[in-house]
Amino acid sequence: AQSVSQHNHHVILSEAASLELGCNYSYGGTVNLFWYVQYPGQHLQLLLKYFSGDPLVKGIKGFEAEFIKSKFSFNLRKPSVQWSDTAEYFCAVGGSSASKIIFGSGTRLSIRP
Amino acid sequence: NAGVMQNPRHLVRRRGQEARLRCSPMKGHSHVYWYRQLPEEGLKFMVYLQKENIIDESGMPKERFSAEFPKEGPSILRIQQVVRGDSAAYFCASSPDTANTGELFFGEGSRLTVL
Repeated sequence: AQSVSQHNHHVILSEAASLELGCNYSYGGTVNLFWYVQYPGQHLQLLLKYFSGDPLVKGIKGFEAEFIKSKFSFNLRKPSVQWSDTAEYFCAVGGSSASKIIFGSGTRLSIRP
Repeated sequence: NAGVMQNPRHLVRRRGQEARLRCSPMKGHSHVYWYRQLPEEGLKFMVYLQKENIIDESGMPKERFSAEFPKEGPSILRIQQVVRGDSAAYFCASSPDTANTGELFFGEGSRLTVL
């Protein structure tokens, strides 16, 4: 069955701490992987994506994610978080051709000033 | 360019009534996705449509729910005979015509409350 697992439901960090949010997926065939972010009061927007090539992808605002095929993982990282990173983060996976995109349950990130 | 537009933003219905949620994709986008977000849960895939075609409705409940994306006009998610459990935020997303890269552009959602 196709699924995306985000094991951390709520993460609380202090400013300048390092961040890593876990994402594991189950999806047959070639995959496209995404992280979306939803800031308070705003709609979801794309943070970064992986289609092919270098498994370490860089996104906006200093975020990066690494695709590890053998572990079916696509963890999100940021070396030093800021208060403005407070948001909900969603991992998502889709197939390489026209197919549905499925999302994880999200991780709420709270940053203490 | 206008983003994905959803309306109404908030909708209140009594049990047994019908709810219609509309989604106008971004200009030039012909792929539309509908998701449901329940309190404390993530985004649950419901249906994926292209113009005049349902591509994947595997996430749609078999009864009372339907979706369409006509050649002209917005995509419609229709819920008949609503029940309290249908209360949720319903998000629409669209993606471009040219190859399905999977990057989605989301609307701000429609929040349905069933009394």
